[in-house]
Amino acid sequence: KAGVTQTPRYLIKTRGQQVTLSCSPISGHRSVSWYQQTPGQGLQFLFEYFSETQRNKGNFPGRFSGRQFSNSRSEMNVSTLELGDSALYLCASSLTPRTVRSSEAFFGQGTRLTVV
Amino acid sequence: KNEVEQSPQNLTAQEGEFITINCSYSVGISALHWLQQHPGGGIVSLFMLSSGKKKHGRLIATINIQEKHSSLHITASHPRDSAVYICAVRLGGATNKLIFGTGTLLAVQP
Repeated sequence: KAGVTQTPRYLIKTRGQQVTLSCSPISGHRSVSWYQQTPGQGLQFLFEYFSETQRNKGNFPGRFSGRQFSNSRSEMNVSTLELGDSALYLCASSLTPRTVRSSEAFFGQGTRLTVV
Repeated sequence: KNEVEQSPQNLTAQEGEFITINCSYSVGISALHWLQQHPGGGIVSLFMLSSGKKKHGRLIATINIQEKHSSLHITASHPRDSAVYICAVRLGGATNKLIFGTGTLLAVQP
């Protein structure tokens, strides 16, 4: 069974540009969560999607957005990139958020975004 | 004050030593995760606990719900255990949102 796949693995963008990151969950998993990891702030929750609906959003500006498709793949988009958006972006997939057992999280390798 | 506190932040051990990493939280949770992150970024889930104790190989995780405290123990530590260990809590309700501790950087020297 394939794990969680994030693409691309590495990305360099210029300030002001926009970027789209992709996350393909484990087959059968319908819940995808996104996290940002920086040296200063550690791991922080961005969004959670289940059945194509955003269920939760973290405390990030509106430049950060996401969506989930009918096949459970998810994308996140960051517009008007700032230097501070440089980070490792991780996604995690779970079966569903309904029970503790079904919520066990499996993480991808992450996308390392550098904004110059 | 962070909702999830880990200690110590850094830990250096000699190969073979018994290691304990602690995690305290201040919110109501439905489960607690222990995660391992190696250089390069990928995160591996070691345990998900909602009560009691779990063991996998040389790793043991315990949780005390009343005291809002969890510990991760590594017995007979080995240099390949060197990594960042992160405690994360899942809040109550139908959500997969995780809140993370700041992590413990473990270095096991041969």
